Amino acid sequence: SQKIEQNSEALNIQEGKTATLTCNYTNYSPAYLQWYRQDPGRGPVFLLLIRENEKEKRKERLKVTFDTTLKQSLFHITASQPADSATYLCALDSNTGNQFYFGTGTSLTVIP
Amino acid sequence: DAGITQSPRHKVTETGTPVTLRCHQTENHRYMYWYRQDPGHGLRLIHYSYGVKDTDKGEVSDGYSVSRSKTEDFLLTLESATSSQTSVYFCAISDGVGGEEGYTFGSGTRLTVV
Repeated sequence: SQKIEQNSEALNIQEGKTATLTCNYTNYSPAYLQWYRQDPGRGPVFLLLIRENEKEKRKERLKVTFDTTLKQSLFHITASQPADSATYLCALDSNTGNQFYFGTGTSLTVIP
Repeated sequence: DAGITQSPRHKVTETGTPVTLRCHQTENHRYMYWYRQDPGHGLRLIHYSYGVKDTDKGEVSDGYSVSRSKTEDFLLTLESATSSQTSVYFCAISDGVGGEEGYTFGSGTRLTVV
């Protein structure tokens, strides 16, 4: 069955640095990959979608890469701020187009 | 969250009792989903709907049923609640499968089965 792995350990970085989060997957080839942000007690908020034929996508301080050979996506937050502290989830489509499978998320803390 | 509300926000119920969670949207989106979120498992799809009266199972559908009689409402029912169904339940909507807009999630319902 398909498996999605995100950094299980929390990531702490200094304000102003670039945060890099990893999403690895096995056993299937998704056509789409999404990244979400989730704050405590709240639902996930959609950030970016990248398609399998796109190597990189940017939105303001966010950058996502999608390497279908390595079966990996990297999520970068440049010039990080304390307000970026949250849990970040990756999600991959099921190939049937009916649903997305979510990773367990990586907790990011940006230290002032 | 704008356009999507879940009720109740919190509920404690006893084992064996039926429970219904409600998701209401004002976006007129075609697709609606119910997920549960548990530590170590991430978000897992329970059921989804692709139109009025059109529903299908997700990966963890056992013990759950859904109904969608109107575009705006998607109900999740636990016929006989068990302790393993203690979780945070999220409803999500989307205008299209795999759309650029992604999913919009509600604020969640924290359900405790005692």
